[in-house]
Formats: sequence, structure tokens, C-alpha cells
Amino acid sequence: AQKITQTQPGMFVQEKEAVTLDCTYDTSDPSYGLFWYKQPSSGEMIFLIYQGSYDQQNATEGRYSLNFQKARKSANLVISASQLGDSAMYFCAMSLRESSQGNLIFGKGTKLSVKP
Amino acid sequence: GAVVSQHPSRVICKSGTSVKIECRSLDFQATTMFWYRQFPKQSLMLMATSNEGSKATYEQGVEKDKFLINHASLTLSTLTVTSAHPEDSSFYICSAGVGGGLGTDTQYFGPGTRLTVL
Repeated sequence: AQKITQTQPGMFVQEKEAVTLDCTYDTSDPSYGLFWYKQPSSGEMIFLIYQGSYDQQNATEGRYSLNFQKARKSANLVISASQLGDSAMYFCAMSLRESSQGNLIFGKGTKLSVKP
Repeated sequence: GAVVSQHPSRVICKSGTSVKIECRSLDFQATTMFWYRQFPKQSLMLMATSNEGSKATYEQGVEKDKFLINHASLTLSTLTVTSAHPEDSSFYICSAGVGGGLGTDTQYFGPGTRLTVL
């Protein structure tokens, strides 16, 4: 069965420092996509970054980068130079290409708090 | 990025009434939309997949007669919570995939609808 695991319920980071949010996944399908979303207290889900299972290079989007280690089935999110506005819930999610519907499986999330 | 809207953003209703939530893709066409439910401090759980022009596909344990989904056009899907009860109170979020709904296409989420049933 497909599963996403986020083992850190909460994380603290000092402003301007980097932080890594952990995510491991489990699937037997060879083709899949990995996503990270940010959910502020207002509730909307904001897409941050995507990594395909066949992508050779780690994805990067501005201050966000995804540390993709396929053999370990991990897809950690790295946020560089943390800002106060980064405080939010962060969800790791997976989607399977073999699923024509494309629905996402979410982890339980990590609450990130950035300290001034 | 693609924009998905939801209406209403917040609704309070009496037990036994029905509530309709709209999900629109504003600047792209979505053959597939997804409806998720999120309880406080929990993750998103997929309720159903909404396909334009056909019946929705519901996840196990989701009552299709209670949560009616209609995908009338390529830009609009609606979720109707029929005969709502307090246990239906939750945050409902829709999403739409860009690129035909294949597994690894990015999904963009609406802002969510917070339903409170008294």
C-alpha cells in the first residue's frame, strides 16, 4: 500500500537559518510524483515543489529544494534562509502515474515555527 | 500558477439542511477535480474524484448519497453535503490537476470551505 510518513509533528527554526523537513514514502509503483505543500493558518494549500520519480536532479524552487534519495525512499524538503512567513503546516504528498486519476496521498504534516 | 476558487469560504448551517460547495478552475480546464476533507490538526483525506461528464469515484467509507458530487463542466465541480449533521463539520478542500489528471501532474488547491453544522 502507498504511504507517506512525516515523523516530525513540529519543528522550530531560527529566522534566516535553513531547516529540513523529513518525508519518507512507500510504494511499489516505479512511477510516481512527490509534492510538498504549505498550509498557513488560513487553510489554503500552497504548492511548493514537485519531484518526479525519474527525475535525475533534485528539484529546486527559489528557497525550496527537495532532497530526493530514491534508494532510501525519502523526499525531504529543505527551506533555506527561513522567514517568519514560513511558519505553517507542511505536507508531503505522493501521486502515482499508474493511477489515471492522480489523487494525492498526504502525510500527517509538520508544523514549522520560525523564531525571530 | 493555476488558480482554483471555492465558494463559500465559510458556512454555518442547521442540522438536517443541505449545503453546496463550488469549486472552480479559473484559468485552466480540469477534466478531473478532487475533493478532500480535513479535520482539525489532521491531514487531508481524499473523499472522491470528480470526473467531468461522468460519475464521481468515491473513496472507501465515503457515502456517495450523502456527499453528492457533480462535475458539470471543465471548470466547475460541486460538492453537496446532504442532510448535514454536526459530525460533517470539517474543512473541505478541492483541487484540480493541470495536465489531464495523470498521476504526477501538479494539483492546485482551492482555499477551502469551513463547514460548521449546528
